[in-house]
Order: sequence, then C-alpha cells, then structure tokens
Amino acid sequence: ETGVTQTPRHLVMGMTNKKSLKCEQHLGHNAMYWYKQSAKKPLELMFVYNFKEQTENNSVPSRFSPECPNSSHLFLHLHTLQPEDSALYLCASSQNRQEAFFGQGTRLTVV
Amino acid sequence: AQSVSQHNHHVILSEAASLELGCNYSYGGTVNLFWYVQYPGQHLQLLLKYFSGDPLVKGIKGFEAEFIKSKFSFNLRKPSVQWSDTAEYFCAVISSNDYKLSFGAGTTVTVRA
Repeated sequence: ETGVTQTPRHLVMGMTNKKSLKCEQHLGHNAMYWYKQSAKKPLELMFVYNFKEQTENNSVPSRFSPECPNSSHLFLHLHTLQPEDSALYLCASSQNRQEAFFGQGTRLTVV
Repeated sequence: AQSVSQHNHHVILSEAASLELGCNYSYGGTVNLFWYVQYPGQHLQLLLKYFSGDPLVKGIKGFEAEFIKSKFSFNLRKPSVQWSDTAEYFCAVISSNDYKLSFGAGTTVTVRA
C-alpha cells in the first residue's frame, strides 16, 4: 500500500466508449502525475498537476483529458481511444520535488 | 528538455555477483535524482534518492548510488545481488525549475540462482 489508490485496476473499452480513470492520494502531496507504461517503452510522462494547476502536458492527444478537482484526486477521461493506447496507466503523487509515490496502475485494453 | 539515459536494457548475472547500472541525464541546472525498482507484478518503489550533500547515497536492500555532477551521472550499485533483486530498475530526474519527473527507459535485471 503506497497511499496512492487507482481505480479501476483493469479496464477494457471499445474505441467509441468514454471512460475515466481515477486516482486518489491521502498523503497530503501537492503534485500529481499521470504516466503511460507500455511494454518495451520508457515510462511516458503525460500530465503533471501542482496544487490543482496543470503544469505539464507532454503533447498528449486530446482523446486523453485530465481533471484535478482538488489536490487529492486526479482523473483521466478517455474517449475515442485507439488500440495503441492500450497500456498500464500509472498515477503518482509527490510533495514538491521529492520522491513520487506510485499507485498500482490501471491496465487498459482498447478493443 | 531534460532526458534520462540508461545504458543497459537487460542485465543477466548470477547470485553474489556485483551489479552496476548506468544513468546519465541531460540538464544543466539543479536536479533531484532517484532510482526506482519495479518487482514483477508490483508497483514502482523508491530505492534511493539524492537531493544534495554527500554524493554517495545508500538506499534500501543494500543498494547505493553515486552522483557525479561533472559527468551528469547517477549510477546504481550493489556489491552482491540476490535472486530477489530480479526486477526492472528506473532512473529518474526532476529539475528545480519544474515538476517534470522524467524516467529512463529502465533496465531489466535477471539474477540467476
């Protein structure tokens, strides 16, 4: 248990579906991150929020839409995804620029 | 933009052998440096970190890393590995100017009993 909880753990969705990934942290951290982890590829930083403000958007396609309603919750809204978007999506949080704590991830399969 | 390079994709070694994994980063300013480990089926966990001070840092499970500023390197070492060290290892960097925590491609370490 890392203090960062992601739901759901597994998700299968069609290319026309809309779904959301949820991340919650109870560590009092001010920064939250979304990463994509694909087989044989480096961990890709997607979005960063600091005190609910988005500070990084790493050229992520608009079919991925993040939302950070407060410093404890982070969502990733998904719509019109492609099969190549299938991956493990990881959420992390940190306090300032100290070590990040990761959730277990959501294994996403787009069919 | 900052980047992180890990030199080895896959390392295979026997128990009790010594391990060294290379990590270089490209960023001229002040950085915080990390090594993370991901055991099969588990989440990413912090092994060790460097913020400032003594450039030789010790982490959990007998791992250590040395920060060499002139070489932009932060190599990970363990004198004697165990079978349970089989995992994927990631180097990560964050600059003092932003919140962009960047990871290297990872190195898969396989320890044979």
